Amino acid sequence: DQQVKQNSPSLSVQEGRISILNCDYTNSMFDYFLWYKKYPAEGPTFLISISSIKDKNEDGRFTVFLNKSAKHLSLHIVPSQPGDSAVYFCAASESFGNEKLTFGTGTRLTIIP
Amino acid sequence: DTAVSQTPKYLVTQMGNDKSIKCEQNLGHDTMYWYKQDSKKFLKIMFSYNNKELIINETVPNRFSPKSPDKAHLNLHINSLELGDSAVYFCASSQGHGNQPQHFGDGTRLSIL
Repeated sequence: DQQVKQNSPSLSVQEGRISILNCDYTNSMFDYFLWYKKYPAEGPTFLISISSIKDKNEDGRFTVFLNKSAKHLSLHIVPSQPGDSAVYFCAASESFGNEKLTFGTGTRLTIIP
Repeated sequence: DTAVSQTPKYLVTQMGNDKSIKCEQNLGHDTMYWYKQDSKKFLKIMFSYNNKELIINETVPNRFSPKSPDKAHLNLHINSLELGDSAVYFCASSQGHGNQPQHFGDGTRLSIL
């Protein structure tokens, strides 16, 4: 049973426009959410996170929104740049559990110049 | 300076062999993890250690044995390799408990012939 889902395997966005990546989760015990970016042949790189006590967290061009009632989070990248082309993984954990991250299956983002 | 380093990056071996993957982190973190990314690109936790103590063991066959000689190292030994063990294995580390992101190595691609 997949507790974290990214229903869009791929997304193409024009350079300069906004990229919106979505993630849904089913486990109501999750209270810490992260986005990772992954290039081929490299490990996932931490991008941004959000705790369940917030509904928005912003870091430069990256903003994560959390809708707890819908068990949904999204990552907004604006403006999108060619270097943003990568696979993006959503992950979730229980802060006071055993720290393990449960990952989604990823969304491949392609930025079109 | 690499934060989480894994060796080797590629490992090709025959079914039935025993192999080890090494992981070291220089971030001063006290928790380390092993994840497996299968052919469907799904990243799944295998083990975690906190200060050399096993915290998570996610229903992994006992052919897989993690060993943590100190909190900066977490090695993964695999006995009697099977075709289904072919995957990319990622090591990660994080600091303490609560809302802290995990930092990943670049992965070890294991191919079983």
